[in-house]
Parts: sequence; C-alpha cells; structure tokens
Amino acid sequence: NAGVTQTPKFRVLKTGQSMTLLCAQDMNHEYMYWYRQDPGMGLRLIHYSVGEGTTAKGEVPDGYNVSRLKKQNFLLGLESAAPSQTSVYFCASKTTGGNGYTFGSGTRLTVV
Amino acid sequence: GENVEQHPSTLSVQEGDSAVIKCTYSDSASNYFPWYKQELGKGPQLIIDIRSNVGEKKDQRIAVTLNKTAKHFSLHITETQPEDSAVYFCAASMGGYQKVTFGTGTKLQVIP
Repeated sequence: NAGVTQTPKFRVLKTGQSMTLLCAQDMNHEYMYWYRQDPGMGLRLIHYSVGEGTTAKGEVPDGYNVSRLKKQNFLLGLESAAPSQTSVYFCASKTTGGNGYTFGSGTRLTVV
Repeated sequence: GENVEQHPSTLSVQEGDSAVIKCTYSDSASNYFPWYKQELGKGPQLIIDIRSNVGEKKDQRIAVTLNKTAKHFSLHITETQPEDSAVYFCAASMGGYQKVTFGTGTKLQVIP
C-alpha cells in the first residue's frame, strides 16, 4: 500500500516553462488537495477536489491549474512558471469519513 | 477566512524535558484541530487531533488541549526524546472536505 505518491520529487524549470506535477493515491480517498510550503509561511492551499471531475480554488490558486479525471489522480499544472513558484509542493488526500490528511513526500520545484 | 497563529517558531529542550507549542485560531466555526509532525525531507504526518466537543486528548507522551472560548489550542510533549526533533504544525478546519488551515510551524530540537 503506497499511500500518496508524488512525481517528480525534484525539478528545475526555467521561467516561462510549463510542467505537470502528478499525485496518485491508492486508498480510494474522495478528497484531494495541493499545498505549497514556503519557509515561515506554513502550508497554503492551492486547489482541491472533492471528487472525480470536480476541482475548486484554494488560498493561492493564481498561476496553477488542476485536473481530476480519475479518482486516484490529481494533477497540478504550471502553464508559465515564475520564480515566485519556487516551493515545495505537497499533495494530500482524505476519506469522506476520516479525519486528517495523508500527505505525499513532496516535490521540490525551483524556477530559475 | 480562518487564520492560525503558532508559537514559538523554534524550540530547544533537553532530552526528558517537556515541550509546549501554542496556537490560536480566528474562526469560531472551526471544529477540528489536527497536529502534524514533519521530519526532514518528508511530508507532514498526523500525530494527534481534537474536536471542539473535547477539551483534552492524550496519546502516550503527547496531549492536546483546546479552549474554545479563548480560541486557543496547544500540543504538549512529555519526556522528550531525540526522535521528537521535527517541525510541528497545528491546523484548524470545519471538518468534512473543508480545507485545513495550517500554522507556520515550530521547529523542535531535542538535545541529547
């Protein structure tokens, strides 16, 4: 049982490039979330999904897009990367009747 | 929206001593308060949580307390061990699919 798997683990992008971060969970969780973690700012919610085919904006959605075509996968896209998007990105999932999140191990993204 | 403040940002204790981390929240509708531990290079992991209808909860060496009136909640770790060294995050939520708002984290160092 892998839990929540994020790929890639590390990536360096040039300003203006695009990329997609993949989150996959094998726990049949309904809810999935993308957070970014920056020093001194904790974790801030980018986008989330309450079920297959649905997405919603979080606290800091600008510059990101998401898709949840399959229940087990939640994709985070950067259309035109900016240095301000340098961060560690965490995906999390949660079951409807459960309590806390299960987090992935993170993707460290650097935009130069 | 919800705002969670966490103090201190860093905490050093001698092995065997107790550690206390304090948080405040702003939205009286929040009813679920989890605590996460993040070890270096890993995603946050839920260690304990408390709901608004409970004032205190214990799990071995860790305990959480909640004061709804003052909108304060705290994490207490007794008999600290070197493996307790990590970053700890408090959080608040209205439960269900509702987003979890995190504090800015406390880096705990347990000195052997």
